[in-house]
Amino acid sequence: DGGITQSPKYLFRKEGQNVTLSCEQNLNHDAMYWYRQDPGQGLRLIYYSQIVNDFQKGDIAEGYSVSREKKESFPLTVTSAQKNPTAFYLCASSTQGQPQHFGDGTRLSIL
Amino acid sequence: AQSVSQHNHHVILSEAASLELGCNYSYGGTVNLFWYVQYPGQHLQLLLKYFSGDPLVKGIKGFEAEFIKSKFSFNLRKPSVQWSDTAEYFCAVRGGYNNNDMRFGAGTRLTVKP
Repeated sequence: DGGITQSPKYLFRKEGQNVTLSCEQNLNHDAMYWYRQDPGQGLRLIYYSQIVNDFQKGDIAEGYSVSREKKESFPLTVTSAQKNPTAFYLCASSTQGQPQHFGDGTRLSIL
Repeated sequence: AQSVSQHNHHVILSEAASLELGCNYSYGGTVNLFWYVQYPGQHLQLLLKYFSGDPLVKGIKGFEAEFIKSKFSFNLRKPSVQWSDTAEYFCAVRGGYNNNDMRFGAGTRLTVKP
């Protein structure tokens, strides 16, 4: 089945560590996105990428980094510079002009 | 960049009541508008979308939304809600067909009492 796979489902990080969240899609979509979901704040855009080797900052990019070396993959690294990383992270993809498809999310917690 | 405002944080209704969730956006040009739903423990699913044409769009599960350009609004409606409609609803806006920059509102949590 075509879709978006996020892994892991749950992730724990120690203070000062970087962690990388995986997002893979087999929908042949050009655009991919990372959102952070916090209670009462909805989805806030971290980064998005419209094509391979290109990405743009969203509203809350500080403390995060991404790469887009392959069309299918858009990993998100939560760096130690992110002061409040505990959240639910959602990856999405879309093709030109079409709605986004979402993965099941990764819940990141700080130990 | 565009932005979205959802007025209601939490709405509580009884079954068979009518629903209207407000959504206003700010963007100066052509927009694509969306409503997504997130049922408890599930991923976001598209309810309906507006790209162009008839401003009254119908989606899945009896939902509809009306695009009112003069008011920058895209309110979601359902004439008679069911307990299974309990979920969180998100309005989203994208600045036109060729624009992949998409922004979401803060969401509205709907609780339907049986």
